[in-house]
Amino acid sequence: NAGVTQTPKFQVLKTGQSMTLQCAQDMNHNSMYWYRQDPGMGLRLIYYSASEGTTDKGEVPNGYNVSRLNKREFSLRLESAAPSQTSVYFCANGPGYSMETQYFGPGTRLLVL
Amino acid sequence: AQSVTQLDSQVPVFEEAPVELRCNYSSSVSVYLFWYVQYPNQGLQLLLKYLSGSTLVESINGFEAEFNKSQTSFHLRKPSVHISDTAEYFCAVRAQAGGTSYGKLTFGQGTILTVHP
Repeated sequence: NAGVTQTPKFQVLKTGQSMTLQCAQDMNHNSMYWYRQDPGMGLRLIYYSASEGTTDKGEVPNGYNVSRLNKREFSLRLESAAPSQTSVYFCANGPGYSMETQYFGPGTRLLVL
Repeated sequence: AQSVTQLDSQVPVFEEAPVELRCNYSSSVSVYLFWYVQYPNQGLQLLLKYLSGSTLVESINGFEAEFNKSQTSFHLRKPSVHISDTAEYFCAVRAQAGGTSYGKLTFGQGTILTVHP
C-alpha cells in the first residue's frame, strides 16, 4: 500500500501560469487535507474535505481551489500562480474524527518565478 | 480557535545528550495533542499523541511527552539522542469536538533538532 501519494514531486512555474497538484490515497479514509509548509511558519491548512463531495476552506485558501473527485483523490489547483505561492505542499488524510492520526504524503516542492 | 507556540526554532545537541523541545498551546476548548517528525525531504510522521488518560505518553523510539493542562504545555523529551534523531519536530493540537475548529490540526512553527557527533 502506498498510503498517500502526490504528483508531481517538483514543479517550477512562471507567474500567472496554472497547475494542479494531485493527491491520492489507498487507505479508504474519509478526510483529506492540503497544507503548505513555509520556513518558520509550520504547516498551514489550505483546504480540507471531511468526506467525499464536501470541501471547506482552511487558514490560507486565497489563490487556491480544490476538488474532491472521489474518496481516493483530492486535487489542489493554482489558477494564476504567484511568487508568494512558492512553498512545499503536503496532502494528508485521516479517518474523519478528531482523535485521528493524519497521514502525510511526501510533498510537492513548488517554485514560482 | 487554537494556537501553538514552539519556543525554540533550532536546538543543537551532542549525541547521547538529553533534549527537550518545548511546546505551549492556547485553546478555548479541550484539545488532543500531537508531535510529528519530519526527516529531511520527507513528509510528516506521527511521533506520539495524547488523547486521554496518563499525561505521559511515549513513542517507540524513546521520545516521551507530558501533557500539563495547568501550564498548557506538551514538551517533548528524550534522555539520550542519536544522530538519526536529526529532523524537524512539529507540535500540533486539535479540538476535541464542536465549533468551527473541529477536525482541523493546528501546527506550531517547528523545531529543528540537530544532533552532532
